[in-house]
Amino acid sequence: AQSVAQPEDQVNVAEGNPLTVKCTYSVSGNPYLFWYVQYPNRGLQFLLKYITGDNLVKGSYGFEAEFNKSQTSFHLKKPSALVSDSALYFCAGEGHRNNRLAFGKGNQVVVIP
Amino acid sequence: DTEVTQTPKHLVMGMTNKKSLKCEQHMGHRAMYWYKQKAKKPPELMFVYSYEKLSINESVPSRFSPECPNSSLLNLHLHALQPEDSALYLCASSQEINQETQYFGPGTRLLVL
Repeated sequence: AQSVAQPEDQVNVAEGNPLTVKCTYSVSGNPYLFWYVQYPNRGLQFLLKYITGDNLVKGSYGFEAEFNKSQTSFHLKKPSALVSDSALYFCAGEGHRNNRLAFGKGNQVVVIP
Repeated sequence: DTEVTQTPKHLVMGMTNKKSLKCEQHMGHRAMYWYKQKAKKPPELMFVYSYEKLSINESVPSRFSPECPNSSLLNLHLHALQPEDSALYLCASSQEINQETQYFGPGTRLLVL
């Protein structure tokens, strides 16, 4: 079985401050890990993914994520949050030959002006 | 180009109606997906097509009937739906079925009266 956990419900951050959205995973074999963002009444938009190689993955809109195998974590980060980053963020993972993405419950990010 | 298109954007139907949702991609992807998403929740996988063949059916009720006419198109036929089927229906596609980035369409917002 595979699962992804996002322990927080909502993340509040002041504009200009660093943003971190937490994710831990339980995926068989070498995990493929993804972050998606969803704006209201829209589909999911791909931000970045980890397959193998460098533990620090850079993605769209200044986001990056760090893969930590020992802590089974894949936290999403942005050095300086913008009000426009306010959205619902999903972490997802897939194990070898599972053919299904396991999604975390999602985190609502609110960036306060 | 990573665009997946879906029509219609909104759909209101009665419990006795028959309607169809359409999804299209021109990225040459060979895997296509239907998801159901309730508000503020992660997407729930419904069906997966790989090379135009149904690969995964996540025990979806028969009132939902998928169809893949060709490698670029995916339909979801709806009949005798229930009010609890009201949700955002998302289509996605990926290069292959296993451990590939899924690209999502904007979704169809369905309301069943």
